[in-house]
Amino acid sequence: AQTVTQSQPEMSVQEAETVTLSCTYDTSESDYYLFWYKQPPSRQMILVIRQEAYKQQNATENRFSVNFQKAAKSFSLKISDSQLGDAAMYFCAYRLLSGGGADGLTFGKGTHLIIQP
Amino acid sequence: EPEVTQTPSHQVTQMGQEVILRCVPISNHLYFYWYRQILGQKVEFLVSFYNNEISEKSEIFDDQFSVERPDGSNFTLKIRSTKLEDSAMYFCASSYTGGTEAFFGQGTRLTVV
Repeated sequence: AQTVTQSQPEMSVQEAETVTLSCTYDTSESDYYLFWYKQPPSRQMILVIRQEAYKQQNATENRFSVNFQKAAKSFSLKISDSQLGDAAMYFCAYRLLSGGGADGLTFGKGTHLIIQP
Repeated sequence: EPEVTQTPSHQVTQMGQEVILRCVPISNHLYFYWYRQILGQKVEFLVSFYNNEISEKSEIFDDQFSVERPDGSNFTLKIRSTKLEDSAMYFCASSYTGGTEAFFGQGTRLTVV
């Protein structure tokens, strides 16, 4: 079974600074997707960024970028120029790319990101 | 922008009662999911649904749970006889294909008393 580990229960960063959230995963598969979801206090799950395992290039979405190291099974999220609105729980998630395509996401336990004004 | 909508936002029910949580996925999506998040814990996969049948389910999704797509727009999760430990946030999600990202609804907070 796949597992996702987020070793940082909480991180704090000054507004406008850069912060990196860590995620590692365990799988014996070679084709899969990785995601970062943000959960603000409203508790809605919002997709931040996604990475296909077959792509070597790291995904980027504006201030958000990932460092995907497939051999190390590592998938960290970097947030540049942190803003107060970035404060939330961040969940790393894994999904197998299977023929049926309906596999669920496996989530990590989350990292609570605090932005200091 | 299209979104997944869930109703109700909060449901309180007595232990042993049946509840139905409702979801309207994004209209052109083909894959539908239910997830659960017990307060303070991680989000857990319950079930996926495709082509009018369950595609995958986790060990959490036991006989007390069922899903249905009663018409072309709604997707429901039924819990037959609720237990205290069913208290959680339940998220519905949908995706166009199995490979694309899932879009989540705002969740239904279920409180079993």
